[in-house]
Amino acid sequence: EVQLVESGGALVQPGGSLRLSCAASEFTFSNYWMSWIRQAPGKGLEWVANLDQDGSEKYYVDSVKGRFTISRDNAKNSLYLQMNSLRGEDTAVYYCAREEMIAATIGYWGQGTLVTVSS
Amino acid sequence: QSVLTQPPSVSAAPGQKVTISCSGSNSNIGNNYVSWYQQLPGTAPKLLIYQNNKRPSGIPDRFSGSKSGTSATLGITGLQTGDEADYYCGTWAGKVFGGGTKLTVL
Repeated sequence: EVQLVESGGALVQPGGSLRLSCAASEFTFSNYWMSWIRQAPGKGLEWVANLDQDGSEKYYVDSVKGRFTISRDNAKNSLYLQMNSLRGEDTAVYYCAREEMIAATIGYWGQGTLVTVSS
Repeated sequence: QSVLTQPPSVSAAPGQKVTISCSGSNSNIGNNYVSWYQQLPGTAPKLLIYQNNKRPSGIPDRFSGSKSGTSATLGITGLQTGDEADYYCGTWAGKVFGGGTKLTVL
């Protein structure tokens, strides 16, 4: 069974930085586009960023451009999200997710990691 | 404010049928496949329907999806208390989701 396990969430002050990690297993990680999707407390889902199989193509939602960087290490089967200049509105559970390009959907989600931005 | 519009809540009795609507535009639903995700309380979302009406392995046929023009619908028959959850529609090509619908099984 596909496994995606996020880590790195924490309480951080506004303006601070945080790096999220996602460990993937039970599938060939290097074959898939991967995404980060977030959910603010009591709110809906918002796609944050994604990247292609070798990390050469990266896309971001406008609200995080210039502040967040998505990356991957295929040798370590890991996905990352470097978050800088954090704001209160970035408070959310962040999910790592595997894209299914042919099916045009998100096939698998991790359990999420909570990022709280507050002073 | 989500790009796709869903009703905030729906409810029905056990054993009954419920439908959840998802409304968009030509830039999202109208020209892309629709997916549906189920989020049980305190858990991560799970894929229920993809490509408008296909079910992944393991999803019972009580769950169905359809699409017409710029709207999509999720149907659930034979409601069970375990179906109580938030349901989200989404179009992956547009990277957009609905605001979610809370299903209550009375």
